[in-house]
Amino acid sequence: GAVVSQHPSRVICKSGTSVKIECRSLDFQATTMFWYRQFPKQSLMLMATSNEGSKATYEQGVEKDKFLINHASLTLSTLTVTSAHPEDSSFYICSARREGVNTEAFFGQGTRLTVV
Amino acid sequence: RKEVEQDPGPFNVPEGATVAFNCTYSNSASQSFFWYRQDCRKEPKLLMSVYSSGNEDGRFTAQLNRASQYISLLIRDSKLSDSATYLCVVTSNQAGTALIFGKGTTLSVSS
Repeated sequence: GAVVSQHPSRVICKSGTSVKIECRSLDFQATTMFWYRQFPKQSLMLMATSNEGSKATYEQGVEKDKFLINHASLTLSTLTVTSAHPEDSSFYICSARREGVNTEAFFGQGTRLTVV
Repeated sequence: RKEVEQDPGPFNVPEGATVAFNCTYSNSASQSFFWYRQDCRKEPKLLMSVYSSGNEDGRFTAQLNRASQYISLLIRDSKLSDSATYLCVVTSNQAGTALIFGKGTTLSVSS
């Protein structure tokens, strides 16, 4: 079964609205989760590292005020795309790893966001 | 230079063929290395970790050359079900947490 659950899997929203995506680790506690974005035929690009109980760390070029991350518990991180625009349409995937150096990363099922 | 670079695809091979993918990474501090597989419109899934001594899992062999900052994946006796995008993945920092992905190499195995 899934180790990391992401919801929703698909969302269509109007330009200017906000969309919240949830990522849950199901059988382990994740102090750190990661949010990626993937455009068609492109690689997964790390957007931010979500840290439980503290502020997220954003990669260069990612607007923290636009992509709000909340990691309020050891099993849940949320990504909110605020004031979405068509160029935000993409595949968003979260990931979590168990503690350790060489551990496998588990991915959520991904959320396909379409902004119209 | 991109952090992780892979062979451009696609690779189109017949069933039974042997195919090799190459990958280079720029961060010499990277500690962990993986090959992930991603099927169309799906999340990535771990294929295998890559160890310094090289490792094999059935038809798949992965090798790491730290001096050259180079990783490879060899697939023998290709199956139709091997058709996917193969992602070279390294850790981004000494803490070994976030994963950085290559663009991926697409493999298409035909009968």
